[in-house]
Amino acid sequence: NAGVTQTPKFRILKIGQSMTLQCTQDMNHNYMYWYRQDPGMGLKLIYYSVGAGITDKGEVPNGYNVSRSTTEDFPLRLELAAPSQTSVYFCASSYGGEGKQYFGPGTRLTVT
Amino acid sequence: GIQVEQSPPDLILQEGANSTLRCNFSDSVNNLQWFHQNPWGQLINLFYIPSGTKQNGRLSATTVATERYSLLYISSSQTTDSGVYFCAVGGWGGSNYKLTFGKGTLLTVNP
Repeated sequence: NAGVTQTPKFRILKIGQSMTLQCTQDMNHNYMYWYRQDPGMGLKLIYYSVGAGITDKGEVPNGYNVSRSTTEDFPLRLELAAPSQTSVYFCASSYGGEGKQYFGPGTRLTVT
Repeated sequence: GIQVEQSPPDLILQEGANSTLRCNFSDSVNNLQWFHQNPWGQLINLFYIPSGTKQNGRLSATTVATERYSLLYISSSQTTDSGVYFCAVGGWGGSNYKLTFGKGTLLTVNP
């Protein structure tokens, strides 16, 4: 199993551009999550999904959108990128809400 | 929301030493997980431990839910143990999967 994979690994955006961060898991987990990690801080939940077709906001959803059309994929869309969105983005998945969360390798995004 | 405090913020050890990392939380929890973020940024789940004690090799963890704290023990530390250790908790009420992370403990193990 590859586990949780994310693409791209690195990206530089100009202010106002848009992009989609890709996340795929092959563990047949029903729950998936997007977090961001700012320097020296813990992770903050952006969006989560409890199954295909079901998504909801986390702690810091502004400026982001998600969709979940399949069990495996959970892309994160950034519209009109802003410098405040410079961060490392992690995707995670779990089997059930009380399961261990398994993380992808992260995407380092810089908005200039 | 639940507040999570980890201590110490930084810890420097010589290889072979033992250490204890602490996680305090402000409300009762139904989900508690410990993670290790290695120097390359990868997050590894160490334990799912909302209560009780678990051991995995040189690592063990104990959560005393009634007193709102968890401890992570690292014995005979190795340089590969270096990195940041995060505690993350989820509350009751059907949303225990929405984890709140502490700021972490930065562990440096010197050879």
